[in-house]
Amino acid sequence: QVQLQESGPGLVKPAETLSLTCSVSGYSVTNTYYWGWIRQPPGKGLEWIGHMFHTGSSYYNPSLLSRVTISVDTSKNQISLRLSSVTAADTAVYYCARRAGAPHQDFDYWGRGTLVTVSS
Amino acid sequence: QSVLTQPPSVSAAPGQKVTISCSGSSSNIGDNFVSWYQQLPGTAPKLLIYDNNQRPSGIPDRLSGSKSGTSATLGITGLQTGDEADYYCGTWDSSLNTYVFGSGTKVTVL
Repeated sequence: QVQLQESGPGLVKPAETLSLTCSVSGYSVTNTYYWGWIRQPPGKGLEWIGHMFHTGSSYYNPSLLSRVTISVDTSKNQISLRLSSVTAADTAVYYCARRAGAPHQDFDYWGRGTLVTVSS
Repeated sequence: QSVLTQPPSVSAAPGQKVTISCSGSSSNIGDNFVSWYQQLPGTAPKLLIYDNNQRPSGIPDRLSGSKSGTSATLGITGLQTGDEADYYCGTWDSSLNTYVFGSGTKVTVL
């Protein structure tokens, strides 16, 4: 059974860097799937942040491209997200998810999500 | 404003059917597979439909997906109170190089 679990600080100060980790169990991150992050501001819809393959091939939301980095740690079977220069607009529940490779377009397994609040 | 347009809400009585539309363009729905996700209150999204009309293991056949041109539709028959949730469509946009989600539709069981 594939399981994903996000972890990281629940409170980040404005202008600082948000860092989250997603631990994957029941499946190796080096297998044939991408790994991604999606966020959801309180009371709003879903926003794709980006996804990557363990070999380094990555895709990012153009609106976040200058601030975001996703990485895969194969030794720990984890995925990480870094978002720099955060503002209140980055307050959201952050989800990690497994994504099928092209031509498929689905995120089939999701973590429970972690709320990150940007506030001083 | 979402690239994929969904109605804000739909409702029906228990046992009835609802359909949720997802309208896009030639660069997203028209060019790529569509997925559908259910988000129950306070929980993470769950994949309901992939590749336009395929159900993952464990998803009942009273849920169905279809696609025609630049629009996709999710159907739920035999509506149950447990179906009350937000539903999102999603796909890749080949022009924006972005994964896009629909604006979301809230299903209410009357």
